Amino acid sequence: SQKIEQNSEALNIQEGKTATLTCNYTNYSPAYLQWYRQDPGRGPVFLLLIRENEKEKRKERLKVTFDTTLKQSLFHITASQPADSATYLCAPHYSGGGADGLTFGKGTHLIIQP
Amino acid sequence: NAGVTQTPKFQVLKTGQSMTLQCAQDMNHNSMYWYRQDPGMGLRLIYYSASEGTTDKGEVPNGYNVSRLNKREFSLRLESAAPSQTSVYFCASSDTALPPFPYTFGSGTRLTVV
Repeated sequence: SQKIEQNSEALNIQEGKTATLTCNYTNYSPAYLQWYRQDPGRGPVFLLLIRENEKEKRKERLKVTFDTTLKQSLFHITASQPADSATYLCAPHYSGGGADGLTFGKGTHLIIQP
Repeated sequence: NAGVTQTPKFQVLKTGQSMTLQCAQDMNHNSMYWYRQDPGMGLRLIYYSASEGTTDKGEVPNGYNVSRLNKREFSLRLESAAPSQTSVYFCASSDTALPPFPYTFGSGTRLTVV
């Protein structure tokens, strides 16, 4: 079965630096890969998605890359701020699937220190 | 635009009691999902409804039942609650008629079974 791996340990980054989070998957490559943000006591919120034929996607200070050879997606937050502190989840989405439920990684807890 | 609304937000049950978690979305999404989230386990799919009138089991369906009442509403029922069902429950919806289709999550129900 497909496995999704995200850094289980918290990631501590100094304010203003770039935070880079990793999402690795096994077996076959997804058609899309989605990233979500989750704050304590709240539901996940969709941030970005990237298609398998895209190398990179940007939205304001966020950037996502997708390397199907490495079976990996990287999520970058540039000029990080304490308000970016949250847990970030990745979710691969397979062509023809998704309607039967996304599988999410366990998430990486990001802490931006002032 | 309320998005996905879950009720109640908090609930304490005694072992063996039953209850229904309610979920409603106002985005005209065709697919709806129930997840549970436990520390160290991430989000796990309980049941999903790809379209009105259909429901299917996810990864962890045992001990739960669901009803897709109409396009807007998808409820999750615990017939005889057990301490192992202590968790945070999230409902989500998406428009799977047009991939890719990010999920919109509710704010969650925190359930404790004693």
